[in-house]
Amino acid sequence: SQKIEQNSEALNIQEGKTATLTCNYTNYSPAYLQWYRQDPGRGPVFLLLIRENEKEKRKERLKVTFDTTLKQSLFHITASQPADSATYLCALDVLSGGFKTIFGAGTRLFVKA
Amino acid sequence: NAGVTQTPKFQVLKTGQSMTLQCAQDMNHNSMYWYRQDPGMGLRLIYYSASEGTTDKGEVPNGYNVSRLNKREFSLRLESAAPSQTSVYFCASSEVGLFPPPGYTFGSGTRLTVV
Repeated sequence: SQKIEQNSEALNIQEGKTATLTCNYTNYSPAYLQWYRQDPGRGPVFLLLIRENEKEKRKERLKVTFDTTLKQSLFHITASQPADSATYLCALDVLSGGFKTIFGAGTRLFVKA
Repeated sequence: NAGVTQTPKFQVLKTGQSMTLQCAQDMNHNSMYWYRQDPGMGLRLIYYSASEGTTDKGEVPNGYNVSRLNKREFSLRLESAAPSQTSVYFCASSEVGLFPPPGYTFGSGTRLTVV
């Protein structure tokens, strides 16, 4: 069956450390993979998109890797801050008669001061 | 501010009642979407509209109808609400035809409870 999995347990880290979130998928061949941030009571906000043929992408303190062999994406936040505390969603864009986007359930990140 | 606006933010319905969730975007995007978000699950697509004048079913369309009123507005209607429709509903928009796709812009959501 097709699945996209993010760690359902919250990730707790200390301010200044690097947070690493994982997105695993099975039985999909995504053309792109997106990451979103969602704060409580708000809608998701688009952060980054990486293509299937890209290994890594960076934006300020964010870094995303995409390994289509392992079927995994890692999302890193370096020098994390309490303001980075939120839920982070990954989403696959697969080609299925036009692009179809499948969202993971998200991982909650808490950054302690 | 540019973005996606949803109304209402909160709603409580009794089983069998009907209601319409409203959504408007001012980014001149062609495509608009309705998602629902339930605890422990990813966002699931209810309906989408690739362009003005067209609508298509998503993953979970049963019990819902939509109307693409014009390029800006896309509404979601529950004709006879059921407790299983208790959820948070998000409207989103995006531009299409760009590679890579630019990502979705989401509204702030409608929290709906059906009792």
